[in-house]
Amino acid sequence: EAQVTQNPRYLITVTGKKLTVTCSQNMNHEYMSWYRQDPGLGLRQIYYSMNVEVTDKGDVPEGYKVSRKEKRNFPLILESPSPNQTSLYFCASSSGGGSSYEQYFGPGTRLTVT
Amino acid sequence: GNSVTQMEGPVTLSEEAFLTINCTYTATGYPSLFWYVQYPGEGLQLLLKATKADDKGSNKGFEATYRKETTSFHLEKGSVQVSDSAVYFCALSGFGTGGGNKLTFGTGTQLKVEL
Repeated sequence: EAQVTQNPRYLITVTGKKLTVTCSQNMNHEYMSWYRQDPGLGLRQIYYSMNVEVTDKGDVPEGYKVSRKEKRNFPLILESPSPNQTSLYFCASSSGGGSSYEQYFGPGTRLTVT
Repeated sequence: GNSVTQMEGPVTLSEEAFLTINCTYTATGYPSLFWYVQYPGEGLQLLLKATKADDKGSNKGFEATYRKETTSFHLEKGSVQVSDSAVYFCALSGFGTGGGNKLTFGTGTQLKVEL
């Protein structure tokens, strides 16, 4: 089954404790991205990657890092989480970088930073 | 920059009622337009899309027409069901930061359908 998986689905952590949220897709997609969803703000792009070793900032990259060492994986790293990073995070992938391509979303990771 | 405005919710309807969720956008060039749906506890799923002016996207009884003259992409369904209860996001994709297919989302509209 074609899918995007994320782990963990739920995470409660404390300020400053480094964490990684994993994302993996089995569709051989080149394009992957991370979004955060906050009430009243919709989803906003954090980082994206157009292929292995090619990453760039989205609209809200501060406090986050990413890497793309393999085509299927795109982890999101919070080096020193803060409470304002409490949010619902989604990973997405698509087969191309053109505007008409459908993006496939993972199930989400709900992160709480205390 | 690009932006999407959609009507605030929640929208509460009785089963078999007609649904409209308004969506307007601001974008440079010719974006593609999408409606995504988020069921409780799940990720977003593409509901329908339109890639050029006057295109009509349709799926599962939902429809939306890409209106360039009014910069709108309103979602409609003739007869909603309880199973349609979800959050609906209007989005556009166009060139700019994030590569060619960065999605710019509206804030989402929660739909509740009651028996």
